[in-house]
Amino acid sequence: GAVVSQHPSWVICKSGTSVKIECRSLDFQATTMFWYRQFPKQSLMLMATSNEGSKATYEQGVEKDKFLINHASLTLSTLTVTSAHPEDSSFYICSARTWMEDSLTYNEQFFGPGTRLTVL
Amino acid sequence: AQRVTQPEKLLSVFKGAPVELKCNYSYSGSPELFWYVQYSRQRLQLLLRHISRESIKGFTADLNKGETSFHLKKPFAQEEDSAMYYCEDKLSFGAGTTVTVRA
Repeated sequence: GAVVSQHPSWVICKSGTSVKIECRSLDFQATTMFWYRQFPKQSLMLMATSNEGSKATYEQGVEKDKFLINHASLTLSTLTVTSAHPEDSSFYICSARTWMEDSLTYNEQFFGPGTRLTVL
Repeated sequence: AQRVTQPEKLLSVFKGAPVELKCNYSYSGSPELFWYVQYSRQRLQLLLRHISRESIKGFTADLNKGETSFHLKKPFAQEEDSAMYYCEDKLSFGAGTTVTVRA
């Protein structure tokens, strides 16, 4: 199956610094990539949807100036948490999916392993 | 607005008993429904999609357009089925159901 990687798998940073997380689709070109946040023992929360070459669409309540998303290619999307604060500590997960022309549907989402961010 | 509802946050069943995870969607149009599973310390992965009508690991899910439901079922739960399950429709995830299968 398709593989999505995330880097780094974990990061610890000081309050006020910025952190960049990369999401790559390793063996396929992703039409769309998504960024989620997951708190311990809670559900995934969609933060934003990102299409290659266009601006990300953020979910209500997600600060786009704080969570900068860049989707420069069909295999790479980055999430930058700017001026991170302890409340930004969380598990960030990306996923990727492809639009299937033959069936005019999306295939399933392929998820990355997640990145654990801890802000001190 | 939330398009997918998973009413049960926690579900506990005994090994060998049937298990059903509820998923309701609210969308006017053709749904694109998926069930994903997240085992402990693993990434989310696809379990089922409605368009393929397949059975994976003994699980099935039938789309009921009249009831706008896509419930996930397994007739005989196994301990390895203990996991968190998510229903998705076009990028809208349900809140997830944590299933615990007891011996």
